[in-house]
Amino acid sequence: EAQVTQNPRYLITVTGKKLTVTCSQNMNHEYMSWYRQDPGLGLRQIYYSMNVEVTDKGDVPEGYKVSRKEKRNFPLILESPSPNQTSLYFCASRGLPETQYFGPGTRLLVL
Amino acid sequence: DAKTTQPTSMDCAEGRAANLPCNHSTISGNEYVYWYRQIHSQGPQYIIHGLKNNETNEMASLIITEDRKSSTLILPHATLRDTAVYYCIVRVYFSGNTPLVFGKGTRLSVIA
Repeated sequence: EAQVTQNPRYLITVTGKKLTVTCSQNMNHEYMSWYRQDPGLGLRQIYYSMNVEVTDKGDVPEGYKVSRKEKRNFPLILESPSPNQTSLYFCASRGLPETQYFGPGTRLLVL
Repeated sequence: DAKTTQPTSMDCAEGRAANLPCNHSTISGNEYVYWYRQIHSQGPQYIIHGLKNNETNEMASLIITEDRKSSTLILPHATLRDTAVYYCIVRVYFSGNTPLVFGKGTRLSVIA
């Protein structure tokens, strides 16, 4: 089954404690991206990757890092989380034409 | 991406067909019509897409008018699990890095 998986699904942490949200896809897609979703603000892109070792900033990259060492994996790293990063996060991979497949989401609370 | 207009909300009785309209009067010749939906707090789900011909898959049917200025997503036998926000998006075949932008969509409520 074609899918995008994310872990963990729920996470409560404290300010400044580094965390990583993993993302993996099994569709051999080259393009992957991370979004955050906040009430009233819709989905906003954090980072994207056009292929292995190629990543770039989206609309709201501050406070986040990513890496793309393998085609299937695209982890999101918060080096020093802050309360304003409390949000619902989605990883997505894209096939052609323009069909995006989203993961189930990670709900993050930073205290 | 061309702008789309959708009704804010719709109701549908369980077991009946749900017909969700979308206007995209400024669509250009190389733009596709895509439909996604988001069930509460779940990841957005791709449903179907089309260029100019009607399309059908296991989830839904997409009817595009001949002038391509509007389309209708049809869920043939709506169930309670189809309650979600449905988004109509117009994009070219390959948009590079342009992020996918979801508008306000149509909130479909399927009622028992």
